[in-house]
Amino acid sequence: DAGVTQSPTHLIKTRGQQVTLRCSPKSGHDTVSWYQQALGQGPQFIFQYYEEEERQRGNFPDRFSGHQFPNYSSELNVNALLLGDSALYLCASSLNGGNTIYFGEGSWLTVV
Amino acid sequence: DAKTTQPPSMDCAEGRAANLPCNHSTISGNEYVYWYRQIHSQGPQYIIHGLKNNETNEMASLIITEDRKSSTLILPHATLRDTAVYYCIVRVAYQAGTALIFGKGTTLSVSS
Repeated sequence: DAGVTQSPTHLIKTRGQQVTLRCSPKSGHDTVSWYQQALGQGPQFIFQYYEEEERQRGNFPDRFSGHQFPNYSSELNVNALLLGDSALYLCASSLNGGNTIYFGEGSWLTVV
Repeated sequence: DAKTTQPPSMDCAEGRAANLPCNHSTISGNEYVYWYRQIHSQGPQYIIHGLKNNETNEMASLIITEDRKSSTLILPHATLRDTAVYYCIVRVAYQAGTALIFGKGTTLSVSS
């Protein structure tokens, strides 16, 4: 049973560019959340998707957007990249109403 | 803002029990306490969670005080592979969704 899978593992982008990160939730999970983890810090909540809609958002600008597909997989898009967007981006999945939450290994984004 | 406070670091001898404390004095009645650990910037690994009662699984035990203002994670027989950053987290329930609010974590160093 595959856990939460994320792609790509690492990528480098230039300031001003756009990036798309992908996440496949654990089998049977229908809720996906995204987190940003800067170096040396704890993860920070970006947003949560359920039934293909964003249902909760953290304190992140509109440059951060997402999507959830009918098969529950999800994408995180970041526009107009800044150097400060360099971080580990984590996807977490759970079953709606459930209490067990699993994280993927993350996507390392470096903005130069 | 984080709803938990943890000591920044702790040491433990291999084979001994590791007891990691956490304060969450502002926790609300329906908010769960979660523990995750993270090794070298891999994705956070789920350990255990609880609401009111003490919990135990194959990895650890979670002891929650009766007033729910603090908890302790117990690793019964620490090994070198338990060296990691341990996060005590409150899961906040909003009107539409939920989010894990991470703090700074405790760096546990297990030595032989």
